[in-house]
Amino acid sequence: GEDVEQSLFLSVREGDSSVINCTYTDSSSTYLYWYKQEPGAGLQLLTYIFSNMDMKQDQRLTVLLNKKDKHLSLRIADTQTGDSAIYFCAEFTGGGNKLTFGTGTQLKVEL
Amino acid sequence: DAGVIQSPRHEVTEMGQEVTLRCKPISGHNSLFWYRQTMMRGLELLIYFNNNVPIDDSGMPEDRFSAKMPNASFSTLKIQPSEPRDSAVYFCASSLRAAGETQYFGPGTRLLVL
Repeated sequence: GEDVEQSLFLSVREGDSSVINCTYTDSSSTYLYWYKQEPGAGLQLLTYIFSNMDMKQDQRLTVLLNKKDKHLSLRIADTQTGDSAIYFCAEFTGGGNKLTFGTGTQLKVEL
Repeated sequence: DAGVIQSPRHEVTEMGQEVTLRCKPISGHNSLFWYRQTMMRGLELLIYFNNNVPIDDSGMPEDRFSAKMPNASFSTLKIQPSEPRDSAVYFCASSLRAAGETQYFGPGTRLLVL
C-alpha cells in the first residue's frame, strides 16, 4: 500500500541548513516530489527526482533518495525566513496512477 | 499563463446548502485533479480526470460530492447538501498529460460550512 510519512515540525535558525525527511512504502514509486505551501496559498512544486537517481541539486536545494530504505530528504542550504512554509513530499506510483502526499512538515525559520 | 484558476477563493455557507467550486486548468493540460486539505486528514485526492473523463473517483467521500468536467477548460466540484465536516480547503491541480507529471496547483477555495 501507499503511505508517505514526514515529521510534523522543524525549526532552524536563519543561515543554517534545513533537512526535511520523508519515508514512503511503495517500492514501485517512479517519481518523488517536493512541494512547498506558504500560508494561505496552494502547493508549489519545488523539485522532483526520478527513482533511478540518488541525488539532485538545484541551487539551494538538494534532494537525496535512498531507494533501499525508501527514504527521501530535502536539504535547504542557507535557510532564509522566506523558506518558512509547509513542505510536502509526494510519490507517484504507476500502479495507483496518482500522487500520494505526505502529511507535510512545517518549517519555521528563526532569526 | 495565468496558472490554475479557482473560484470562489472563499465560501461561507450554511449546512444543507449546495456548494459549487470551480476550476479552470492551465491551457493545454489534459489532467485535472481535485484535492481536499484539512488539519486532521492532510491532503486527500478526491477525483481526477484525464481528457475530461473521470479516471479515479475513489477519494470522493460520499454521494453528496460530485465532480464534472464538461470541457477541457472547466471543472466543477459540487457538494449537495453541505455539512460542517465538509469545511476544508479544496484545491484543483492540473498536469500536462497524466497523474505522474508535475501537477500545478490553484490557490484553493476555503470552504466554511456553518
